[in-house]
Amino acid sequence: SQKIEQNSEALNIQEGKTATLTCNYTNYSPAYLQWYRQDPGRGPVFLLLIRENEKEKRKERLKVTFDTTLKQSLFHITASQPADSATYLCALDGTTDSWGKLQFGAGTQVVVTP
Amino acid sequence: GAVVSQHPSWVICKSGTSVKIECRSLDFQATTMFWYRQFPKQSLMLMATSNEGSKATYEQGVEKDKFLINHASLTLSTLTVTSAHPEDSSFYICSARPRLAQTYNEQFFGPGTRLTVL
Repeated sequence: SQKIEQNSEALNIQEGKTATLTCNYTNYSPAYLQWYRQDPGRGPVFLLLIRENEKEKRKERLKVTFDTTLKQSLFHITASQPADSATYLCALDGTTDSWGKLQFGAGTQVVVTP
Repeated sequence: GAVVSQHPSWVICKSGTSVKIECRSLDFQATTMFWYRQFPKQSLMLMATSNEGSKATYEQGVEKDKFLINHASLTLSTLTVTSAHPEDSSFYICSARPRLAQTYNEQFFGPGTRLTVL
């Protein structure tokens, strides 16, 4: 069966440290993988997109890696800040015959303490 | 730019009634809008894809007669939950793909609508 797995346990991290989140998937072949931030009671906000032929993508303090052999993406928040506290979702795209039909993981909650 | 709004942000209704949720792209035209549902601590699940001027396509297991979708214009899609029951209580989120998207997988999400059915 198809699965997208993110660590269900909250990640508690001290301010200034690097938070690393994982997204593993099985029985998918996504052309793209996206990461979103979701705050309680709000819709997701797009952060980064990485293509299947890209190994790494960066945007400010964020870094994403994509290993299609391992079927895994890692999401890093460097120099974390309390404002980074949220739930982070990974989403697969290009897995069906229609682009944009995202398949989401359940998300990992990040809590950054001062 | 690229703002998507939803109305209402929350709604409480009695079992058996129908509820309409609006999704609007405020500063761009959207050829495609997607409707998702999210239960607590769970992932967003795609319910249907809505293309302007045509019938929506529903994901497997989603009842099209229960969740009516209308995409009448390039800036508005509506989701009507008919004969709502407590198990329909959820967080409903729409997203919109711009007509002039820079990439084919670019889409923007609305803030969500919390539906509670008593």
